[in-house]
Amino acid sequence: DAGVTQSPTHLIKTRGQQVTLRCSPKSGHDTVSWYQQALGQGPQFIFQYYEEEERQRGNFPDRFSGHQFPNYSSELNVNALLLGDSALYLCASSLDWTGTGELFFGEGSRLTVL
Amino acid sequence: SQQGEEDPQALSIQEGENATMNCSYKTSINNLQWYRQNSGRGLVHLILIRSNEREKHSGRLRVTLDTSKKSSSLLITASRAADTASYFCATDGAGTGRRALTFGSGTRLQVQP
Repeated sequence: DAGVTQSPTHLIKTRGQQVTLRCSPKSGHDTVSWYQQALGQGPQFIFQYYEEEERQRGNFPDRFSGHQFPNYSSELNVNALLLGDSALYLCASSLDWTGTGELFFGEGSRLTVL
Repeated sequence: SQQGEEDPQALSIQEGENATMNCSYKTSINNLQWYRQNSGRGLVHLILIRSNEREKHSGRLRVTLDTSKKSSSLLITASRAADTASYFCATDGAGTGRRALTFGSGTRLQVQP
C-alpha cells in the first residue's frame, strides 16, 4: 500500500517564477493538507482540500493556490516566488477533514529560490 | 503564531537514558498529537492523546496531558541512537475554529551512542 508520494523531491527556481508541486495521498484518503516548513522551524499550515474544494486556509498570501482532483491527488502552486518561499513543502493526507485526526506525510518537496 | 511550543529546543543525551520533551499550547483542544521527523524527511505520527485522557503509552513512549495547564510531555525511555530526530507536538483547532493541525517549533533530540 503506497503512502503519500510527492514530486518533485528537489527543485531550484529564481525569484518571480512559478512552481507547481504534486501530491498523491495514501490509498483511501480523501483529504489533503499542505504545510510549509522553513529550516529549523515547525510545519506551517497552508491549506486543506476535501471534495475538490479548499476547506481551510492558513495565513498565506493568494500567491499560494491549490487544486484537488477527482482521484484526491493535489497540487500546490506558488506564483511570483520570493526568496522567503525557500522551504520544505509537505503534503499530508488523512481520512478526517475535521482536522483532528492523524496525518500521513510525504517526504516533501524541497524548494530553493535564488 | 505557534499554538504549540516545545521545550527544550534541543536535547542531547546518551544512549540508554530517558528523554523528556514538553509542549505548551494556548487554546482548548480535542486532542494533541506527537510527530517525529528525521532530518529533512517527512513527519511520522507517534501518538495521539485525547483531551479526556491524562496519560498514554506506546512501546517506549509515554505521553501525558494536563489540560488545566495546557501542557503535554513526551517521554522516550531507554533511548537509542535511532531515536535521534526532531519531535513536534500538534494541536487541533478546537479553540480556534480552524480544522487543521498546528505544529510547534520542535525539540531536536540527539542520542549519542
